Parts: sequence; structure tokens; C-alpha cells
Amino acid sequence: DGGITQSPKYLFRKEGQNVTLSCEQNLNHDAMYWYRQDPGQGLRLIYYSQIVNDFQKGDIAEGYSVSREKKESFPLTVTSAQKNPTAFYLCASSPLTSGGRSTDTQYFGPGTRLTVL
Amino acid sequence: AQSVTQLDSQVPVFEEAPVELRCNYSSSVSVYLFWYVQYPNQGLQLLLKYLSGSTLVKGINGFEAEFNKSQTSFHLRKPSVHISDTAEYFCAVSGEGKLIFGQGTELSVKP
Repeated sequence: DGGITQSPKYLFRKEGQNVTLSCEQNLNHDAMYWYRQDPGQGLRLIYYSQIVNDFQKGDIAEGYSVSREKKESFPLTVTSAQKNPTAFYLCASSPLTSGGRSTDTQYFGPGTRLTVL
Repeated sequence: AQSVTQLDSQVPVFEEAPVELRCNYSSSVSVYLFWYVQYPNQGLQLLLKYLSGSTLVKGINGFEAEFNKSQTSFHLRKPSVHISDTAEYFCAVSGEGKLIFGQGTELSVKP
């Protein structure tokens, strides 16, 4: 089955600890994305990557870091610098249109709910 | 810069009634437009998309949307909703290699 997997589904962390959220896709998509979702605020883009070993900051990158060492993997680290990390985190991937100007359909994983205790 | 506004944060409706979820966008270039649905504690699932061609787009689960360039709108409609349509719905516009999402509309279908 092709798709996107995120693990774990629920994650608890003590304040001051870094934590890494996993995202893997086997759709052979070039682009991958990380979003944060809070009640009433929709989806906010954290980081995105259009090619291996390259990524760009989204709208709320502070306190987060990513890597893209393989096409199929795009892990997100929530660092201790992130002031309010409790949220639902969604990973997505998509093919790119020619020239990379726009994105076609993004396919989403099931999400990871992070709670900081 | 592109942006998306979903005009209603919550829409309550009775089962078998019609529903319209409103979405307006702003963009200086031609766009791709999307509607996604999210059930509780799950990821987003594509309902339908407009890339080009016919302005009336049909999607899954009986939903459809109409692209109106002059009014910069992409409203989502269903003629008769079911309890199972209760979910959050997101409108999105693409540009610069990423999607810009609206704030979401919570559709609540009551028996």
C-alpha cells in the first residue's frame, strides 16, 4: 500500500526535552511538508522540502528543525526552544508541477499528537 | 501573496438538508484550488480540486464546488448531507510550491 506514515500517534514529552517526529512516504513524491494544527487556527506550515538535502522555513519555523537525507523521509525535531509545542502535527507529501511553481494534491499522514507535560 | 478566507467557522445543519461551505481566495496569478476534509484525530483527505477546465468540480462523497474567478470564490456544496459528513473542512490555494489553507469550517450534521 502506498501512503504516508507518521509515528508515534501520541507522544508525551517533559518540558525542556527535544523530541523527533517521524514521517515516511513511499509515493515517490519530491516534496514533503510539516504542519502544526491548533484548535481554531487551521494548518500552519512549519518547514517544507522540495528536494533531498534542501528545505525551507515555513510560517512558524522557530523552535523546530528538519532534515531531508532521503527522498522518502522528513523527520521533524521539536526543540526545547519551542515555547508552546503541545499540538497536532501533520506531515504531507506531493508531486511538484513542472518548474515547481505550484503543488498538486498533497497527501497527508494520520498525524502525531504531541503533549508537553 | 496568496490567502484563503473561509467565511464560516461553524455550520450546523440537519440531516438531508443542503449545505454550502464558503471559501474566498486572493491571488495575483492563476491558482489551483482544493477542498480537504478532516475527521477527528485524523489527517486530511482530498475531497476535490480545481486545476483548470470546467468550473464545476465534482468530488468524493457527493460534494461539488464551483470556481468563480470574478468573485474569487470556490464554495463547496452538497445537496443532502448525512451524519457521517460531520467533520472539519479546509479550503486551500496553491502557489510557490506550497499550499495556503483557510482556518477551517466545522460542519455539524444533526439528526
